Amino acid sequence: AQSVTQLGSHVSVSEGALVLLRCNYSSSVPPYLFWYVQYPNQGLQLLLKYTTGATLVKGINGFEAEFKKSETSFHLTKPSAHMSDAAEYFCAVSGAGTYKYIFGTGTRLKVLA
Amino acid sequence: NAGVTQTPKFQVLKTGQSMTLQCAQDMNHEYMSWYRQDPGMGLRLIHYSVGAGITDQGEVPNGYNVSRSTTEDFPLRLLSAAPSQTSVYFCASGGGHGYTFGSGTRLTVV
Repeated sequence: AQSVTQLGSHVSVSEGALVLLRCNYSSSVPPYLFWYVQYPNQGLQLLLKYTTGATLVKGINGFEAEFKKSETSFHLTKPSAHMSDAAEYFCAVSGAGTYKYIFGTGTRLKVLA
Repeated sequence: NAGVTQTPKFQVLKTGQSMTLQCAQDMNHEYMSWYRQDPGMGLRLIHYSVGAGITDQGEVPNGYNVSRSTTEDFPLRLLSAAPSQTSVYFCASGGGHGYTFGSGTRLTVV
């Protein structure tokens, strides 16, 4: 079975500051891990994914995440926040080779001018 | 443009009414799923399908039916709408390497 915990339902950062959104997972099989972004009144868009191989994954819009098996974490970072990054972010896990995704409850990112 | 198309975008139902939410994809994906999104609860899986003729239940299947007669279409049926089914519904297609989501259907049951 898989589960996902996103720490912090709301995160505020200043424009230009580091963005760090936390995601911890549990999985009884090797996990595939994902981050999705949702802008207001829109569907979800894939930011990045980890399946196998390199543990540091780069995605769109300058975001990246690192898979740390020992810490069961997949935190999302961006060195410098932009106003356009304001959105809700979801972490998701699936078992390798399966198709059932389990989503976290989401983190709403606010960027302050 | 290739993607996942959901209709309608908005719907208001009375308690006890039935309706079908439509979902179609043109990417030839075998895997499709339905999620509902509620504040503070993230996305919860309702039903999914790994190919035409094959469906299975997710976390919250009660009150919903699905069928998959073609690769392209995966409709979600509400048999007798209840206020607890007020939510935003998303259809997704893809698989282990990432989903493509539709733009959602906002359903209100009064």
